[in-house]
Amino acid sequence: GAVVSQHPSWVICKSGTSVKIECRSLDFQATTMFWYRQFPKQSLMLMATSNEGSKATYEQGVEKDKFLINHASLTLSTLTVTSAHPEDSSFYICSGGDQETQYFGPGTRLLVL
Amino acid sequence: QKEVEQDPGPLSVPEGAIVSLNCTYSNSAFQYFMWYRQYSRKGPELLMYTYSSGNKEDGRFTAQVDKSSKYISLFIRDSQPSDSATYLCAIARGDTGRRALTFGSGTRLQVQP
Repeated sequence: GAVVSQHPSWVICKSGTSVKIECRSLDFQATTMFWYRQFPKQSLMLMATSNEGSKATYEQGVEKDKFLINHASLTLSTLTVTSAHPEDSSFYICSGGDQETQYFGPGTRLLVL
Repeated sequence: QKEVEQDPGPLSVPEGAIVSLNCTYSNSAFQYFMWYRQYSRKGPELLMYTYSSGNKEDGRFTAQVDKSSKYISLFIRDSQPSDSATYLCAIARGDTGRRALTFGSGTRLQVQP
C-alpha cells in the first residue's frame, strides 16, 4: 500500500504558541489530503479537506483561522495549530489516497501545556 | 442517527477464537467499505477494502458486505494476541481517493493468550 508520513510524531508546546504538522505522501501524488483529529478512546473525526493549489474545506465547527492548512505541492500538506490551547491537545492524523482507498499517516500527538 | 454504527466493545476472546466485528450504515449511497486496525497511539492501518456485496478473503481476515441490509462485517480466524487493537470500519461514497471516510466508533478487541 501507499505510504504517508507525518512529522513530528509528537510535540509539546506552551499555551499560545503555534505548531506546524507536516503530512507527506511518499510514493504517490495527492491532490487531496484529509486531516483528522482523534481524542482518547474515540474515533477519527474529519477536520478538513486539503486541496492542492486551492483553499482547504473545513468541517462544521472547525475554525479555519485556528487550524491553518497549506497544500503547496502534490506530496505535502501542512496543518498549523495557531495560538494552541490545552483543549487542542489531541492526536492529529492525515490521510491521502489513490483510486481505491485512503492511507493514513502515523499521527502526531500534540500536548499543549 | 449516525451514518455508521459500530459496537465499541470491548470484546475479549481467547487466543484461537473466531472474531466477528460488525457495522451498520444508513445511506445506500456509500459504495466503498474498508476495515482499519489501529494500535494504541498509532495511525490506522488498512486491513481490507471492498466495494461489492459478498465476501473477500485475505489470510486470516474475511470482509463481508451485505448492501441490501447495509451491514458489513470483519471476521478474524485463529485470533492472536497481536490482533489486540481497535478495529474501525470506514465507508465512502464514490471515488475514495478524493473523498473523506466516515468512520465507525471503533471496536476494541483483546485477544487473551
